Amino acid sequence: DIQMTQSPSSLSASVGDRVTINCRASQSISTYLNWYQQKPGKAPSLLIYSASFLQSGVPSTFSGSGSGTDFTLTISSLRPEDFATYYCQQSFTTPITFGQGTRLGIK
Amino acid sequence: QVQLVESGGGVVQPGRSLRLSCAASGFRFGDYGMHWVRQAPGKELEWVAFVWYDGSYKDYGGSVEGRFTISRDNSKNTLYLQMDNLRAEDTAVYHCARDRGTRRLFQNLFDMWGQGTMVTVSS
Repeated sequence: DIQMTQSPSSLSASVGDRVTINCRASQSISTYLNWYQQKPGKAPSLLIYSASFLQSGVPSTFSGSGSGTDFTLTISSLRPEDFATYYCQQSFTTPITFGQGTRLGIK
Repeated sequence: QVQLVESGGGVVQPGRSLRLSCAASGFRFGDYGMHWVRQAPGKELEWVAFVWYDGSYKDYGGSVEGRFTISRDNSKNTLYLQMDNLRAEDTAVYHCARDRGTRRLFQNLFDMWGQGTMVTVSS
């Protein structure tokens, strides 16, 4: 199975800050990497697919980059509604696997 | 309204069975592959199973293979997960999720999720 490792596991930031979250795959997955946002008690929602493509309806403050084994999710200017947990997920092969999540909290 | 609504969760003893359902509405259910994804309390997401748009191909995560069966009824716009020989470690919220691709062009990523149904396996 492909292991997905996110860093950091948690971070605190303020509204307006620029934030980056990292995701590393245990083997090359090309650009088969996706990012989700999950708020407490809610289902996840797709933010970025294929490493860098913004899902319809997602604000342009979100962006993704990377290929191979190393990927980054960037939020250019935090809004209050962005405080949530973020997961990366590889769609290169089954079993589909997720990172352990990064909890983004308010400083 | 485009949505997925799960049902069938509850408390069950180890070794017993449970069947989950996911009712789809607002889109052409029969055009999409569908997944089950679970999340144990306080834990990360875990992919459980996938079924092709027409039900002809299925795939499972290693921890459930041989115990869980995914199926669908396109005439009823409903996805199912039959869970047999349940274990304590199967305790989780189970979400159904739509694959972002259509028909044979599945993408193994999830563009629509249901709110989930809780399954608790305990004696």
